[in-house]
Amino acid sequence: VQLIESGGGLVQPGKSLKLSCSASGFTFSSYGMHWIRQTPGKGLDWVSHITSSSGTVYADAVKGRFTISRDNANNTLYLQLSSLKSEDTAIYYCARSNNMGIDYWGQGVMVTVSS
Amino acid sequence: DIQMTQSPSFLSASVGDRVTINCKASQNINRYLNWYQQKLGDAPKLLIYNTNSLQTGIPSRFSGSGSGTDFTLTISSLQPEDVATYFCLQHNSWWTFGGGTKVELK
Repeated sequence: VQLIESGGGLVQPGKSLKLSCSASGFTFSSYGMHWIRQTPGKGLDWVSHITSSSGTVYADAVKGRFTISRDNANNTLYLQLSSLKSEDTAIYYCARSNNMGIDYWGQGVMVTVSS
Repeated sequence: DIQMTQSPSFLSASVGDRVTINCKASQNINRYLNWYQQKLGDAPKLLIYNTNSLQTGIPSRFSGSGSGTDFTLTISSLQPEDVATYFCLQHNSWWTFGGGTKVELK
């Protein structure tokens, strides 16, 4: 199992960014997937989950601003981040979901929101 | 929302020591509690799932126990390669992480 995130960077408050997570080594279309973020001060926070059939749920802190999606044909998970705030600054991880909860994680991608 | 309180936040132990890390849930999470290890700069790695099931490839010195609201990760004999941050995750109702425990060698 390999998960590789990309698309991070420095972005101004109020702007948008789209993260990608390329998956390999398993049947991507059969698994739900998560986005999780980590900050030095606040630790790990769950952000969003998408089921294998594209049902979605979001943490209250990002609801209405972030959108999770997936492209099963290309084994890719996405997170569209909009109306970004300084408190969204974090390392963003994609991770695989199953009946064990969350098993495999990517290496993470840094998002910095600053003017 | 379920809150997870992890303790201690930091511990220092010697090679060969028995180490225990605790997570307390704000309500019953049945046995849906996982433990992860994260080394500096690496992705988190699943150690224990559903309270006490050892993930494939994880050394048997790692074990988990608990039920309801109180859970424990035990390292039976601390090794140098176990220096890392450990955190718990409840997946009974949505997903919530503990605050983490940084383990260092004395």
